[in-house]
Amino acid sequence: SQQGEEDPQALSIQEGENATMNCSYKTSINNLQWYRQNSGRGLVHLILIRSNEREKHSGRLRVTLDTSKKSSSLLITASRAADTASYFCATDLNDYKLSFGAGTTVTVRA
Amino acid sequence: NAGVTQTPKFRVLKTGQSMTLLCAQDMNHEYMYWYRQDPGMGLRLIHYSVGEGTTAKGEVPDGYNVSRLKKQNFLLGLESAAPSQTSVYFCASCRWTEQETQYFGPGTRLLVL
Repeated sequence: SQQGEEDPQALSIQEGENATMNCSYKTSINNLQWYRQNSGRGLVHLILIRSNEREKHSGRLRVTLDTSKKSSSLLITASRAADTASYFCATDLNDYKLSFGAGTTVTVRA
Repeated sequence: NAGVTQTPKFRVLKTGQSMTLLCAQDMNHEYMYWYRQDPGMGLRLIHYSVGEGTTAKGEVPDGYNVSRLKKQNFLLGLESAAPSQTSVYFCASCRWTEQETQYFGPGTRLLVL
């Protein structure tokens, strides 16, 4: 069964606005990762946050992790049309596998 | 570096036919994975390998077999295709011991009629 669940399932925003999506998971993790998938393409790794970290930044991306609530959030600031994609969280249970959620589809309107 | 490549990109099968999907990586990664992606369900792990000559079952292994005879290649076989195996298949690889991020191929779209 899938460990992570993203919320919302879909998000539509205006260019320049921020986009926030959340991921909840069920069991203790080693780390949590976020991936992006453009339509018809493979997934691309965005950012990894370890279980002992609370916040991490990479360019316009900000990820938070709350292990007490078993949840993470991904914030994309100043969104662009190129950010239109599906975003997936993936949890590493320290068993050489990742468990992916169903994803959040983000549409950035010009 | 080509990264992770998958062959073929698209295939149509009739029920009962067999086929093999090939995944190749040129990053000297130990770990390789096969996923399937269906609408609204994200990625589900079919089989994976933690090194040459090893394979293990993932979340949805039934109806599939795999082989890892060479470190750079991971093959996914369908012995008798069923319409329920219509999906997009992704291969991924990673080094794990240094970084746990996975590198994905472009996918193979399979339609079983």
